[in-house]
Amino acid sequence: DADVTQTPRNRITKTGKRIMLECSQTKGHDRMYWYRQDPGLGLQLIYYSFDVKDINKGEISDGYSVSRQAQAKFSLSLESAIPNQTALYFCATSDPGAGLKADTQYFGPGTRLTVL
Amino acid sequence: RKEVEQDPGPFNVPEGATVAFNCTYSNSASQSFFWYRQDCRKEPKLLMSVYSSGNEDGRFTAQLNRASQYISLLIRDSKLSDSATYLCVVNRDSWGKLQFGAGTQVVVTP
Repeated sequence: DADVTQTPRNRITKTGKRIMLECSQTKGHDRMYWYRQDPGLGLQLIYYSFDVKDINKGEISDGYSVSRQAQAKFSLSLESAIPNQTALYFCATSDPGAGLKADTQYFGPGTRLTVL
Repeated sequence: RKEVEQDPGPFNVPEGATVAFNCTYSNSASQSFFWYRQDCRKEPKLLMSVYSSGNEDGRFTAQLNRASQYISLLIRDSKLSDSATYLCVVNRDSWGKLQFGAGTQVVVTP
């Protein structure tokens, strides 16, 4: 079984709709991240969470919100989707207690979101 | 200037050949460096971490040049399965945030 899972894997929605992307992990990591990837661009950080009570905005948080329901679950919401939020979204985790591997991030399979 | 810059390629490489490419980073305080591999529209997967002395993992060799602020990846004896986009990744701060390059595409041809 995959350590980091994302649902849904693909989603088509309309402008103005609210949508939630979910991420679950069985790695036991405290840190979780949401990224979006657009063609020709590097992954951009949307939000990150160091534990259930610690949530922080990334570089492109406008139009997004998150919820860390448990150590293993981190959800991303688009309150009112717009076409330029069409992208590939990835969830990732890391373990700050992993010594030399503390900064290594492990990614879920991604959600392909299309906003019409 | 982008924090992490990569030549987007593609690097077209005959099977069995060697290919090498670099990435430059702007944050001189960065301490952690990685190469990730990403297959078309799939999740990035860690290929290797890059250590100060340089390191090798099978056919892959990574080098770090702190003075010039670049890291490199060399692939020897290229396989068709090496075709992918290689992402250069550098830590932004001590809190685990990473900065990703846009990737270098490698296409290995028969």
